[in-house]
This record gives sequence, structure tokens and C-alpha cells, in this order.
Amino acid sequence: KQEVTQIPAALSVPEGENLVLNCSFTDSAIYNLQWFRQDPGKGLTSLLLIQSSQREQTSGRLNASLDKSSGRSTLYIAASQPGDSATYLCAVTQGGSEKLVFGKGTKLTVNP
Amino acid sequence: AAGVIQSPRHLIKEKRETATLKCYPIPRHDTVYWYQQGPGQDPQFLISFYEKMQSDKGSIPDRFSAQQFSDYHSELNMSSLELGDSALYFCASSLSPLSNQPQHFGDGTRLSIL
Repeated sequence: KQEVTQIPAALSVPEGENLVLNCSFTDSAIYNLQWFRQDPGKGLTSLLLIQSSQREQTSGRLNASLDKSSGRSTLYIAASQPGDSATYLCAVTQGGSEKLVFGKGTKLTVNP
Repeated sequence: AAGVIQSPRHLIKEKRETATLKCYPIPRHDTVYWYQQGPGQDPQFLISFYEKMQSDKGSIPDRFSAQQFSDYHSELNMSSLELGDSALYFCASSLSPLSNQPQHFGDGTRLSIL
């Protein structure tokens, strides 16, 4: 059974700092990996999707990498801003199934 | 850009009642997914539909059923509601399953069981 772990569970940084969020998964036979942000009581906003054949994806200040063989992904946020404060979730799909298996998320607080 | 629309946003029910949650996918998206997120928990997959047929099934209780209609909107029907059903229910949509397209989520329906 696929398990997704995110470390740390919470992170507090000063504004302007670069930071890395970590995601690991137990079964490397994934189809793709998706990073989301969730604001309190809100839906999930899709940030980046990395296909299993890709190594990284970039969108603005965000860069996500994938090392499928070691079961790891990182989300790099450059020059963090208070508006980046949210919970960040990673999720994977397995081959043959489109359901997302989520980690429990990292709660990020960026202090002004 | 148009997003996934869910209704209602909030719903309060009592035990043993029924509830219907609705989801309108992004235009041209033919695949719909339902997830349940309990308090402080990560979202758990319930069920998905592609072209009006059930395409995958997760941990959906037998008390729940869902369907996708010809206009691709979907409804999640919940009966004999229990206190443990209190959660945020998300719908997501994508362009075809297994197509390496991202799933886009709605803002969810917050269901509270009294």
C-alpha cells in the first residue's frame, strides 16, 4: 500500500528566505506526483505536476523535483512571501489508477 | 478561468438523514473524482467517473453512492448519515484519466452532522 510522508509537519520562516519542503513515498511505481497548496477551510490549488519520466517542473518561484527511484520529491520555494503561508500537500498516483494518495502536508508560515 | 464548482458550500444534517452533494467540473473535463477530508486529515479518495462510468473506487461506504450525468456534472448521495461523516468533501476534475493531466479541485462542501 502506497504511503506518502511529508517532513516537516510545520515550518516557520522569515520573509525572503528560500525553503524546501520534502515528500517521500514508499512505492516508486508512481504515474505522477502533484503538489498542492491548501488555505484554511479552502480547496486544494494545484501547483505543479511531475510525470514519472520527468525530473523537475518549474512555475514562477516554485520548483519541484522528483527522484522516483529513491521515492522522493522536493518543492523549492524561492524568496518566500507572507502570501505563501498555507499547507502544502504532495500526492501521487499509481500506475493503472488515477486516485491521488496524499501526504499529511507541511504547514508553512512565512513571517513578515 | 473557470474552476470546479461545488454546491452547497456548507450543509448541516442530523444523524440518519440523507444528503446530496453536487459537482460541476471545469468545461471539457470528462473525469470527476470525489475525496473526503476529515478534520486535520489528508484527503481520502472515494470514487471517480470517466464518461459517466465509474472508473475507480476507494474507501467509499456502502451508504454512499455517486453518479456522473450526461453534462459531466456529478452528484454524491449520502444516506443514513453518521457523526463520523462530518468532513470536507472535495470534487476534482481532469481531462481524461491516466493522461498525466492535473486534478483540479473545487472549494469543497463542508458537511456537519449533528
